[in-house]
Amino acid sequence: AQKVTQAQTEISVVEKEDVTLDCVYETRDTTYYLFWYKQPPSGELVFLIRRNSFDEQNEISGRYSWNFQKSTSSFNFTITASQVVDSAVYFCALRALNTGNQFYFGTGTSLTVIP
Amino acid sequence: NAGVTQTPKFQVLKTGQSMTLQCAQDMNHEYMSWYRQDPGMGLRLIHYSVGAGITDQGEVPNGYNVSRSTTEDFPLRLLSAAPSQTSVYFCASSYSSPGGQLFFGSGTQLSVL
Repeated sequence: AQKVTQAQTEISVVEKEDVTLDCVYETRDTTYYLFWYKQPPSGELVFLIRRNSFDEQNEISGRYSWNFQKSTSSFNFTITASQVVDSAVYFCALRALNTGNQFYFGTGTSLTVIP
Repeated sequence: NAGVTQTPKFQVLKTGQSMTLQCAQDMNHEYMSWYRQDPGMGLRLIHYSVGAGITDQGEVPNGYNVSRSTTEDFPLRLLSAAPSQTSVYFCASSYSSPGGQLFFGSGTQLSVL
């Protein structure tokens, strides 16, 4: 079975603090992809990053970084020096080769950055 | 550069009415899907399609029908609307390869009274 767990329902931080959003996944497939999406208050869903199961390199993009660890089945997302514009709901998702190409989403983490 | 076009943006229905949410994509994506988003429940898959003429049920298919007569279009039909179908609906598409990211429409806010 495929499953994505985002245990943090809501997080509040003060501007300029660092924050990490957790994502734990379950799959028996050896080939899969993990994704992060952002949903700002305006409601649209914005793609942030994709990582495949064979690439455990961490990625940094500006203030954003992602830590993929197969040993713990986690794909955590860190925002450094958070800004008010980072306030959004963040979704982690899994897509595996052998499950009909479905995407499995976590329930999302709502991040509020307080000025 | 339209991407995924979803209409309408807002809709109010009375219980028992039927309607169709339209979804079209211009990226030649094989995979198309419909999600509903409810508070605290994330995105739940209603139906999906891996190509024209092929559809399958997702996690919450009851009360909804879909068809895929062309690659571009994937309408979602509510047969007899119920208040439990009040939600935000998203259409999304991607290439079939597992690495393909989902592209989302802008969403439809549906209220069933």
